[in-house]
Amino acid sequence: EVVMTQSPATLSVSPGERATLSCRASQGVNINLAWYLQKPGQAPRLLIYGASIRATGIPARFSGSGSGTEFTLTISSLQSEDFAVYYCQQYHDWPRTFGQGTRVEIK
Amino acid sequence: EEQLLESGGGLVQPGGSLRLSCAASGFTFNNYAMSWVRQAPGKGLEWVSAISNSGAKTYDADSVKGRFTISRDDSRNMLYLQMNSLRAEDTAVYYCAKDAGQWPSNWLDPWGPGTLVTVSS
Repeated sequence: EVVMTQSPATLSVSPGERATLSCRASQGVNINLAWYLQKPGQAPRLLIYGASIRATGIPARFSGSGSGTEFTLTISSLQSEDFAVYYCQQYHDWPRTFGQGTRVEIK
Repeated sequence: EEQLLESGGGLVQPGGSLRLSCAASGFTFNNYAMSWVRQAPGKGLEWVSAISNSGAKTYDADSVKGRFTISRDDSRNMLYLQMNSLRAEDTAVYYCAKDAGQWPSNWLDPWGPGTLVTVSS
């Protein structure tokens, strides 16, 4: 199975600052990668698919990049509603697998 | 608006069974594959099962293979997860989610609010 590894586990950022989250796949997944955001007590919400395509209604401050085994989610200027846990997911191979998550917290 | 709502969770003893349901609305249900994803308390996400738009193709995670069965009723816009031989490690919030296309399962959007399954004696 493709193992997805996210780093860092926790990222402390001040509002208005830039956040950069990483996701690494144990084998190449092309651009078959999605990012989700999950707030406490809520279901995950799709942010990015195809490694870099923003889902409907997602603000432009969220951007994704990468291909193969290395991927990045960048939040250009953190807003209060962005403090949450972020997961990457590959859909290149079975089983579909998620990273363990990166928690973005207020510094 | 596309919406999903799970039901059927609860407390069950080890070795017991439970059937989860997911009611879909706001989209043409039989055009999309569907998935179940779970999240153990305080843990990350684990994809469980997926089913094609026609129901002809399914795929299960190794952790549930032979114990869980995913199915759908397109006439009622319903997705199901039959869970047998439940174990303590199956304790989790179970989410149903709409897939991006017909098959294979890709990215998931939207997700339902989830239903909690607790396996304990």
